[in-house]
Amino acid sequence: QQQVKQSPQSLIVQKGGISIINCAYENTAFDYFPWYQQFPGKGPALLIAIRPDVSEKKEGRFTISFNKSAKQFSLHIMDSQPGDSATYFCAARRDTGNQFYFGTGTSLTVIP
Amino acid sequence: DGGITQSPKYLFRKEGQNVTLSCEQNLNHDAMYWYRQDPGQGLRLIYYSQIVNDFQKGDIAEGYSVSREKKESFPLTVTSAQKNPTAFYLCASNPGPWRETQYFGPGTRLLVL
Repeated sequence: QQQVKQSPQSLIVQKGGISIINCAYENTAFDYFPWYQQFPGKGPALLIAIRPDVSEKKEGRFTISFNKSAKQFSLHIMDSQPGDSATYFCAARRDTGNQFYFGTGTSLTVIP
Repeated sequence: DGGITQSPKYLFRKEGQNVTLSCEQNLNHDAMYWYRQDPGQGLRLIYYSQIVNDFQKGDIAEGYSVSREKKESFPLTVTSAQKNPTAFYLCASNPGPWRETQYFGPGTRLLVL
């Protein structure tokens, strides 16, 4: 059973456009929601993260929007660049046990 | 230079063979994790350890074993009981409970001959 559901599976965006990736969860025990960026053959790297007491967090071109009542959160990449082409994973951490649950990933391609 | 190292980068396993993947961290983190990554399935948790000499099964522990004798090291053994071992294996660490950020190593790709 997938604890964190992520969509779309793949995304193609023009350079300068906005990339939007969505995630949803059911477990209200999750207390931390990170996004990871992964390039081929490399380990994921933390991109940005949010806690459920905040509805939005922005770091440079990357923004997380969080809707606690809908149990949904999304990653927005503004002014998308070819260098942003990678796989993006959302995740959620349970408040006890220090376990992380990952979405299935979104392959983003930014075309020039 | 702090971080997580995994070795080898590529590993080949023959039928019926056990192989061990290495994971070392010098971040002084208490918690360590092993994930398996397959195309289209994201990261699935194999085992995790919150402290030395203690570890718990994740969602797909069958066919795998771990040990945590030292804080810095969390090796994963893929046993012959794991019938479909071909995947990208990722080790991660986290400072400990109530500390949020998880750091990943560069991964080991395991292939079956």
